[in-house]
Amino acid sequence: LAKTTQPISMDSYEGQEVNITCSHNNIATNDYITWYQQFPSQGPRFIIQGYKTKVTNEVASLFIPADRKSSTLSLPRVSLSDTAVYYCLAQLNFGNEKLTFGTGTRLTIIP
Amino acid sequence: DVKVTQSSRYLVKRTGEKVFLECVQDMDHENMFWYRQDPGLGLRLIYFSYDVKMKEKGDIPEGYSVSREKKERFSLILESASTNQTSMYLCASSPLQGREQYFGPGTRLTVT
Repeated sequence: LAKTTQPISMDSYEGQEVNITCSHNNIATNDYITWYQQFPSQGPRFIIQGYKTKVTNEVASLFIPADRKSSTLSLPRVSLSDTAVYYCLAQLNFGNEKLTFGTGTRLTIIP
Repeated sequence: DVKVTQSSRYLVKRTGEKVFLECVQDMDHENMFWYRQDPGLGLRLIYFSYDVKMKEKGDIPEGYSVSREKKERFSLILESASTNQTSMYLCASSPLQGREQYFGPGTRLTVT
């Protein structure tokens, strides 16, 4: 069962780019990396998913280097509303639904 | 938009009571999940289901059971609630194996 490791917390100022790194040493070739965002008293919300190189959507970018032992979620020009907990999820096999969330990274945006 | 609803936002039960937490999704998703979330422990998978009447244990199934009689509904059952089951319970669904999950708003259960 793949495990992920993330920093417990991060602080950043408004307007900056924030990069959150996730370590996943046992990822297989077709495993997906998925990031979720969670605000207090709400369920997690899907942000982005990828399995190699770089994926970008309107919210974030996801970088996965060639060795696939880590990935980085990049949030451009953060605002106060980006303050949340961010979870990195490594899915072992396509079809294996025994997913494990890490403890997440608590991101605090400072005015 | 995908909508996952949970029967209650807040629930207070007594030790030993049987508790039912209901989850309904409206997007014909095959997969459904139950998690609990506790401070410092993140989300932990209790049970999941990839088809009607199918269920699989997650990481912490002890003290829980589930039921999926219809595709859109996945119920979590606490046969005899205990104080250590006080937690936030989150239901999720996903359309395909390996794809993103959509979460409900959560049920905060307190067992006294």
